[in-house]
Amino acid sequence: QVQLQESGPGLVKPSETLSLTCTVSGDSINSANYYWAWIRQPPGKGLEWIGSIYYTGNTYYKPSLKSRVTISLDTSKNQFSLKVNSVTAADTAVYYCTREVASTSHSWGQGILVTVSS
Amino acid sequence: QSALTQPRSVSGSPGQSVTISCTGSSSDVGGYKYVSWYQQRPGKGPKLMIYDVSERPSGVPDRFSGFKSGNTASLTISGLQAEDEADYYCSSHAGTYVLFGGGTKLTVL
Repeated sequence: QVQLQESGPGLVKPSETLSLTCTVSGDSINSANYYWAWIRQPPGKGLEWIGSIYYTGNTYYKPSLKSRVTISLDTSKNQFSLKVNSVTAADTAVYYCTREVASTSHSWGQGILVTVSS
Repeated sequence: QSALTQPRSVSGSPGQSVTISCTGSSSDVGGYKYVSWYQQRPGKGPKLMIYDVSERPSGVPDRFSGFKSGNTASLTISGLQAEDEADYYCSSHAGTYVLFGGGTKLTVL
C-alpha cells in the first residue's frame, strides 16, 4: 500500500521560496500508472490543486499559480518536490502530496502546515 | 479557472438523504467524466468517496452515490449517519489542471 509523507520547513519568510518534499513508499514514482500532485488548504478554507508531475517529467500547473510554482521528481530517492517562489501570507496552508489517477487523488499524505510570516 | 460552485451548507436528519451539487462549465464538469468527491472530517485530511462521476473506492459504503447531468455533478448520501457530518469537496478535470469546489458543510441534525 502506497504511503506519502510531506517534509520541509514549517515557517517561511515573505518573498522567499517555499520548498517541500514528498517521500513515496510502497510504489515507484517511475510508474506510468500515476501522476504525483500537490494540493493545499489555507486554514479554514477549501482545497486548491497546485499541480502535478508525470514520471516522464511532464508537469501541469494551475494557471493562476504557474508563474511561481515548480514541481520536480527525484527518482533516485523516490521523491517529488514542490517549490513556490515569492511567497506571501496567502500561501499559508496545509500542503498535501497525493497520488493521482485521471485527476483523482486516491492516496494522500498527512499534510504539512506551512506558515508564511516574518 | 474559477472554483466549482457548491452550496456552503446542507443538513439532514439521521436516516434521511441529502444531495450536494457541484456546478461547473463545459470546460470542466460538463466536458469530462473525471469528477470526484472527497470527505473531510474536522482536523483530518481528505478522503476519496467517489471518482469518475459515480465510482466508489473499496471500503466506501454504497450509501454514497454520484451522478452528473450536463455541467452539474451531485453527491447523494442516503441513510444519513452521524459519522457523515463533514465537509465535502468536489473536483473535476479541467483540461490541463484540476478544479475544486469551495466545499459544503454537511450537518447531521
